[in-house]
Amino acid sequence: KAGVTQTPRYLIKTRGQQVTLSCSPISGHRSVSWYQQTPGQGLQFLFEYFSETQRNKGNFPGRFSGRQFSNSRSEMNVSTLELGDSALYLCASSITNNEQFFGPGTRLTVL
Amino acid sequence: SQQGEEDPQALSIQEGENATMNCSYKTSINNLQWYRQNSGRGLVHLILIRSNEREKHSGRLRVTLDTSKKSSSLLITASRAADTASYFCATASSGYSTLTFGKGTMLLVSP
Repeated sequence: KAGVTQTPRYLIKTRGQQVTLSCSPISGHRSVSWYQQTPGQGLQFLFEYFSETQRNKGNFPGRFSGRQFSNSRSEMNVSTLELGDSALYLCASSITNNEQFFGPGTRLTVL
Repeated sequence: SQQGEEDPQALSIQEGENATMNCSYKTSINNLQWYRQNSGRGLVHLILIRSNEREKHSGRLRVTLDTSKKSSSLLITASRAADTASYFCATASSGYSTLTFGKGTMLLVSP
């Protein structure tokens, strides 16, 4: 099976812009989770989607949003970018309550 | 917020030696997982241990779990230079795929 894919791999934006990141899970996996990784805060959970419904949400401002499509592909959006949003954004897919399979991540730099 | 705390934060050993990393967590869990990350890339799942298990093996990896102490350890035997990476423990609570990560241990294995 193909692994989790994320696009784009690298992204440079300026403050105030918005960005959309995409994640395609492993075939058959209906749960998709997003995580933010920064040197200061480490790996933090953003949200989880299952069958197109947000099932769980981390402690992030409303500028961070996401959705999942009927084919389980997921997107996350960050509006009004701030310098502190620079991070590696990781997507993971799973069969519920089992190990998660991570994509390579999208490296977002906000200037 | 971080659930787990890994110890040590950094570990430097020679090839052939064993590496032991410890993880402590705060709340009750459904399972605990260990992941490896090479230099800012995606996370690779290593092993999952459920709350009713005490020990698990996978190749050169041995994981223990003590739910009474809310702690786990990862032992890598006969380390290789290719084991150089950051290692994270992550906990999952009942009913959710969401993972809460520790800050990780950076392992350096010198030839």
